Amino acid sequence: DQQVKQNSPSLSVQEGRISILNCDYTNSMFDYFLWYKKYPAEGPTFLISISSIKDKNEDGRFTVFLNKSAKHLSLHIVPSQPGDSAVYFCAASARGAQKLVFGQGTRLTINP
Amino acid sequence: EPEVTQTPSHQVTQMGQEVILRCVPISNHLYFYWYRQILGQKVEFLVSFYNNEISEKSEIFDDQFSVERPDGSNFTLKIRSTKLEDSAMYFCASSELLAGAGETQYFGPGTRLLVL
Repeated sequence: DQQVKQNSPSLSVQEGRISILNCDYTNSMFDYFLWYKKYPAEGPTFLISISSIKDKNEDGRFTVFLNKSAKHLSLHIVPSQPGDSAVYFCAASARGAQKLVFGQGTRLTINP
Repeated sequence: EPEVTQTPSHQVTQMGQEVILRCVPISNHLYFYWYRQILGQKVEFLVSFYNNEISEKSEIFDDQFSVERPDGSNFTLKIRSTKLEDSAMYFCASSELLAGAGETQYFGPGTRLLVL
């Protein structure tokens, strides 16, 4: 099931700089997208979401951009902090469906 | 801040044994879910539950699996006869409204199940 893909398994960013995490999807029925952050031995923690009627949603240091024509979304973290080091999952749901479909995750490391 | 809780945090069992994983969803949430993550793989949907019945399930959720809301607070996942390939992290989640309507699912910390 490759409906949601995160092609970068890892990303390393300097503290204070911008982190950009990418996600692509194939199912045109997806209309709600979420980013979760996960530390080892913990559950996914909700970060930010975006509906397909928008192309941008911002919450503090986190901004999600959605490009529906390219079926692509990205998460921007600025400025990046050491506590942001974690695995980030992109997830999507379709109208009327209850399940979330997850990407493989990207491990973000913020270097001091 | 309200959160989803899960017990136990770790469970080791012998192949063929029954296990019950427990979850307490966020109190005003109406929709409940189980997901699992096999080591090194994606988080996968298992089942969703609303109004005391299964509302959606994946092909993984076969006859060996069952879910129940035995009282007003707990939500359980039972695996009747565990297999080696059931070893995974199991996550419970809940949402206030139907997830497909743009509602966020909130996840618990997970139960790590190891089948020997």
